[in-house]
Amino acid sequence: AQSVTQLGSHVSVSEGALVLLRCNYSSSVPPYLFWYVQYPNQGLQLLLKYTTGATLVKGINGFEAEFKKSETSFHLTKPSAHMSDAAEYFCAVSYTGRRALTFGSGTRLQVQP
Amino acid sequence: DVKVTQSSRYLVKRTGEKVFLECVQDMDHENMFWYRQDPGLGLRLIYFSYDVKMKEKGDIPEGYSVSREKKERFSLILESASTNQTSMYLCASSFLRGSSTDTQYFGPGTRLTVL
Repeated sequence: AQSVTQLGSHVSVSEGALVLLRCNYSSSVPPYLFWYVQYPNQGLQLLLKYTTGATLVKGINGFEAEFKKSETSFHLTKPSAHMSDAAEYFCAVSYTGRRALTFGSGTRLQVQP
Repeated sequence: DVKVTQSSRYLVKRTGEKVFLECVQDMDHENMFWYRQDPGLGLRLIYFSYDVKMKEKGDIPEGYSVSREKKERFSLILESASTNQTSMYLCASSFLRGSSTDTQYFGPGTRLTVL
């Protein structure tokens, strides 16, 4: 069975500071990994995903994530936080043959001025 | 742009009522999904459908059923609503049947309160 653990249900950073949101997965087969973002009162939208190939994945709005198999991690980073990044972020995992996603519990990012 | 719409943003129902949540997508997507979102638990899959009249149970199907009579529409049904079904319900769709990597597009959600 697959699972996703997001460390830290709430993360607060200052505007301009580094954003680091942690995601660790458990999977007995090669995973596909996703980060979704949910802005207030909206549905989720895809930030980025890793399927195969390059382990450093770039997404929208300056976010990127690196797949590290040895650490079973897929942490999300952004060099400089912006006020508009305040949202809830979800890590998710899938694998070949599974059409649905398994989501983590989410991390709410707060950006302080 | 892909658009996934849900029939209501907020819904209040009484215990024991039959509740219908509707979802419509406008991009000819093969797959449609229903999730519920609860604080601290993230999103959990209730049911999904990969074709008209086809459905598969997700991780928490108990107390729910679904219907997909047309490709663009996927309904979630609570046969007899209970207070523990108070939650945010999110619908999603994706294009490729059988794909494990395809992007899912989400609706804005329906916040259901069962009294």
